[in-house]
Amino acid sequence: DTAVSQTPKYLVTQMGNDKSIKCEQNLGHDTMYWYKQDSKKFLKIMFSYNNKELIINETVPNRFSPKSPDKAHLNLHINSLELGDSAVYFCASSQMTASDEQFFGPGTRLTVL
Amino acid sequence: RKEVEQDPGPFNVPEGATVAFNCTYSNSASQSFFWYRQDCRKEPKLLMSVYSSGNEDGRFTAQLNRASQYISLLIRDSKLSDSATYLCVVKTSGTYKYIFGTGTRLKVLA
Repeated sequence: DTAVSQTPKYLVTQMGNDKSIKCEQNLGHDTMYWYKQDSKKFLKIMFSYNNKELIINETVPNRFSPKSPDKAHLNLHINSLELGDSAVYFCASSQMTASDEQFFGPGTRLTVL
Repeated sequence: RKEVEQDPGPFNVPEGATVAFNCTYSNSASQSFFWYRQDCRKEPKLLMSVYSSGNEDGRFTAQLNRASQYISLLIRDSKLSDSATYLCVVKTSGTYKYIFGTGTRLKVLA
């Protein structure tokens, strides 16, 4: 039973294309996140949604557009892909409780050629 | 100054050794602290939360020093399988934002 799942796992595409990554969590959490981990391995927050509402929007190009159809899903659409978008994108979820733990999906490795 | 700082390593230690990592944070309002482990080409996974009084889980001990604003992770009797990157994570109470350190890479050698 996968707690946080992402599709696809790998994505190879040409510059200028538009692509989407999907994320689903079955933990009943109310908050979901997108992170980008670049070649230097630094994990950087991009967006967060709480109960389908955008609550964190870091300095990310507006080519990136998140969408949360319900609190179990958070998708990421990227327009006009650039070489610098190549990275691993992780989805995560959490519930604001005493434990506050965050659970990650397996990641989507995006390569832009 | 970065919000969360860690020594990137790598720390190369022999099997059976004891190794400790520190992590400093800049926001004194930080309330939740965690150590995550990330294996190569995998997602980060929670290793342990860090509590004010310190806590232990088997060979792993985490400590929090609020006055000096750092947390530590001690690994005793290192195993080859402990080789990974250890990420320090800090969160301010009432916010949704988790701040990750750049990670400390550990290699346990046979």
